[in-house]
Amino acid sequence: NAGVTQTPKFQVLKTGQSMTLQCAQDMNHNSMYWYRQDPGMGLRLIYYSASEGTTDKGEVPNGYNVSRLNKREFSLRLESAAPSQTSVYFCASRPSRVQETQYFGPGTRLLVL
Amino acid sequence: AQSVTQLGSHVSVSEGALVLLRCNYSSSVPPYLFWYVQYPNQGLQLLLKYTSAATLVKGINGFEAEFKKSETSFHLTKPSAHMSDAAEYFCAVSDGGQAGTALIFGKGTTLSVSS
Repeated sequence: NAGVTQTPKFQVLKTGQSMTLQCAQDMNHNSMYWYRQDPGMGLRLIYYSASEGTTDKGEVPNGYNVSRLNKREFSLRLESAAPSQTSVYFCASRPSRVQETQYFGPGTRLLVL
Repeated sequence: AQSVTQLGSHVSVSEGALVLLRCNYSSSVPPYLFWYVQYPNQGLQLLLKYTSAATLVKGINGFEAEFKKSETSFHLTKPSAHMSDAAEYFCAVSDGGQAGTALIFGKGTTLSVSS
């Protein structure tokens, strides 16, 4: 039982390049989330998927797209990376019952030059 | 709208001293409250959560937090700090209502422990 896994762990991009961050969970959770973490800002929600087949914008969705590929996988895509997207990205999942805890992956560190 | 304020971006204590990390929340509905810890270069790990049962919540590693509705607070405490407690701590709130509801995080408090 690996929990929430994320790939890659670290990535360097040039401005304008695209990439996809991958996230998978093996806990049979319904809901999945993408956050970004910036110094002094805490974690901010980018997109989430309440259940397979649905996605919704969070607080900071601009410049990102997501795909809920199946119940296990939820990917985050940067179509044209910008230096402002330099951040640490965390994926999380939750069973989706009331009160339930979110479980976080180890994060992806992204540097956009 | 819900929000979380963590007072103090950096707290320093000596080993063996009391740890107090402050969190105040704003919520129009009964909240669910969480404390997470993040060790360097790692993801977030749940310390404890309040889900409208007991107002004093005990978590892992000797931490506890008390929900005070009148003060809209959920401060995190530990009687005696250990060097291994040095990390960043996040308070978060959720209304736990609809499926998929996300957490709203505070900006975090970095705890330093000196010997």
